[in-house]
Amino acid sequence: GAVVSQHPSWVICKSGTSVKIECRSLDFQATTMFWYRQFPKQSLMLMATSNEGSKATYEQGVEKDKFLINHASLTLSTLTVTSAHPEDSSFYICSAEGSGGKETQYFGPGTRLLVL
Amino acid sequence: SQKIEQNSEALNIQEGKTATLTCNYTNYSPAYLQWYRQDPGRGPVFLLLIRENEKEKRKERLKVTFDTTLKQSLFHITASQPADSATYLCALGYSTLTFGKGTMLLVSP
Repeated sequence: GAVVSQHPSWVICKSGTSVKIECRSLDFQATTMFWYRQFPKQSLMLMATSNEGSKATYEQGVEKDKFLINHASLTLSTLTVTSAHPEDSSFYICSAEGSGGKETQYFGPGTRLLVL
Repeated sequence: SQKIEQNSEALNIQEGKTATLTCNYTNYSPAYLQWYRQDPGRGPVFLLLIRENEKEKRKERLKVTFDTTLKQSLFHITASQPADSATYLCALGYSTLTFGKGTMLLVSP
């Protein structure tokens, strides 16, 4: 089956630093990837839609200059949290649309970010 | 605004019984409704998708119903097993998904 990986699986950083999270589709090409954020006991909230070769589309309330998304290839999208603050601590999850159509999304295992 | 409600209280059932989880939504008319499983500290795993013109869909021990009049979906796991213990998420949409908070299912031996 389709596999999506994320790296790193967890990261601890100091306030003010930037953190890059990678999302890779390992055995299929994904023209569209999505980035979600999930706080404890809350639902996954879509942050942005990432399309290969074009600018990401951000959801309302998500700062595009703070959460930089790059989808440089059909198998890789990156999310960079710039100048991270403690309130950015969360579980970040990416997903990729299956190559056979848009009916199924494959999710990565998530990245736990803790900003001190 | 769109609102998705899933029972926030955990559902505790005994092994072998049928678990039924509910997803209600308002201010939305989705063409698709999906169910995912999420284990602690992990990303969601796709289980089933049902379209608005489908009333019921099955996959092995799983069954999903979709009532667009009631704006409700029911998710059933028959012959439940301890390994089914997880949080189950309801999501509306086709490509861009809107998730509920999920319901935790605990199946005891």
